[in-house]
Amino acid sequence: AQTVTQSQPEMSVQEAETVTLSCTYDTSESNYYLFWYKQPPSRQMILVIRQEAYKQQNATENRFSVNFQKAAKSFSLKISDSQLGDTAMYFCAFQTGNQFYFGTGTSLTVIP
Amino acid sequence: NAGVTQTPKFQVLKTGQSMTLQCAQDMNHEYMSWYRQDPGMGLRLIHYSVGAGITDQGEVPNGYNVSRSTTEDFPLRLLSAAPSQTSVYFCASSYSTWGLGQKRFFGPGTRLTVL
Repeated sequence: AQTVTQSQPEMSVQEAETVTLSCTYDTSESNYYLFWYKQPPSRQMILVIRQEAYKQQNATENRFSVNFQKAAKSFSLKISDSQLGDTAMYFCAFQTGNQFYFGTGTSLTVIP
Repeated sequence: NAGVTQTPKFQVLKTGQSMTLQCAQDMNHEYMSWYRQDPGMGLRLIHYSVGAGITDQGEVPNGYNVSRSTTEDFPLRLLSAAPSQTSVYFCASSYSTWGLGQKRFFGPGTRLTVL
């Protein structure tokens, strides 16, 4: 069975600072994808970043980057220059084949 | 494009009632899926479809039926609602037939309460 664990239920960061959200996963699959999704109070799910397991290079999208450690099965999200609009729930997700698994989420608050 | 649309936005049912949650997309996506989101549990995959006429089970399929007669629509049916099905339901679609790695577009969600 695949599992995704987010061990930080809540986090806060000062505006303009950097914050890292943790995610670990467990799988015996060799081919998979990892994602971070953002869910603001509007409830809309928004893709932040994705990582292909066979790529060693860490994905980046503007202020968002990941630290993908395949051997450790770790996939953390770093948000640089945090903005008030980054306040949201963040979900780590794992996909293999057509199955998709989400973590329980981290609630991030950006403090002005 | 309207993207992924879901109706209704809110619904209250009594135990034992049936209903259908509607999901439609206008992006010609092959892959469509349904999730439920419960407090403290993240999203869990209920059913998915890789194309018209093809559906399969996800992590939590019990109590739900789906069908895919067209590329655009993927309704989720609750045959006999139970309080345990109180949740927020999301529909999502993506272009790739196999869904691997492709960007999923999510609908706005349906909040369902079963009394």
